[in-house]
Amino acid sequence: LAKTTQPISMDSYEGQEVNITCSHNNIATNDYITWYQQFPSQGPRFIIQGYKTKVTNEVASLFIPADRKSSTLSLPRVSLSDTAVYYCLVGLYNTDKLIFGTGTRLQVFP
Amino acid sequence: EPEVTQTPSHQVTQMGQEVILRCVPISNHLYFYWYRQILGQKVEFLVSFYNNEISEKSEIFDDQFSVERPDGSNFTLKIRSTKLEDSAMYFCATVAGGPRDEQFFGPGTRLTVL
Repeated sequence: LAKTTQPISMDSYEGQEVNITCSHNNIATNDYITWYQQFPSQGPRFIIQGYKTKVTNEVASLFIPADRKSSTLSLPRVSLSDTAVYYCLVGLYNTDKLIFGTGTRLQVFP
Repeated sequence: EPEVTQTPSHQVTQMGQEVILRCVPISNHLYFYWYRQILGQKVEFLVSFYNNEISEKSEIFDDQFSVERPDGSNFTLKIRSTKLEDSAMYFCATVAGGPRDEQFFGPGTRLTVL
């Protein structure tokens, strides 16, 4: 399983774009990159998944450079409700156990 | 949107007592998991369950823990003799079965061992 490194915390203000970068230097050829979000006292929630280049859904975008050694989760125009912990995970199948790191604690201010 | 449900939301028990945490997976999901999160710490994998048997378990999942699907719908985690250090949030998660299908987590059960 590829080890991931992300900032421990980030602060932002409402309406700003937030980019959280995750480093995964030892990612394997067939690994996918997945991001989960967790609000206090709730279970993690899937946000987005990608393999290479760019993936966008209604919630976020995921940018993956050609070497795939890092990835960036982009949250457009954050609101107070985006305050949460964001986890970057790298692995082959979503049916495998998920190995969570400490994640990035995003605090959005008014 | 379908969701995973868990009961109870909060369980308080005395050290040494047995507890059973219950999860109702999303219908037609095939893979089931238990994770736990001690307050302020990481989410930790406990066990995965597929085709009515354990497919993988972590070091945390010792002989005090067991899982089963007693009636084909509920998925339960039993702790036979609780310890103080078992106090945590316990999350159930389920996956439909495709390799790219996301894991859906339940709201969790907060277990407090006194």
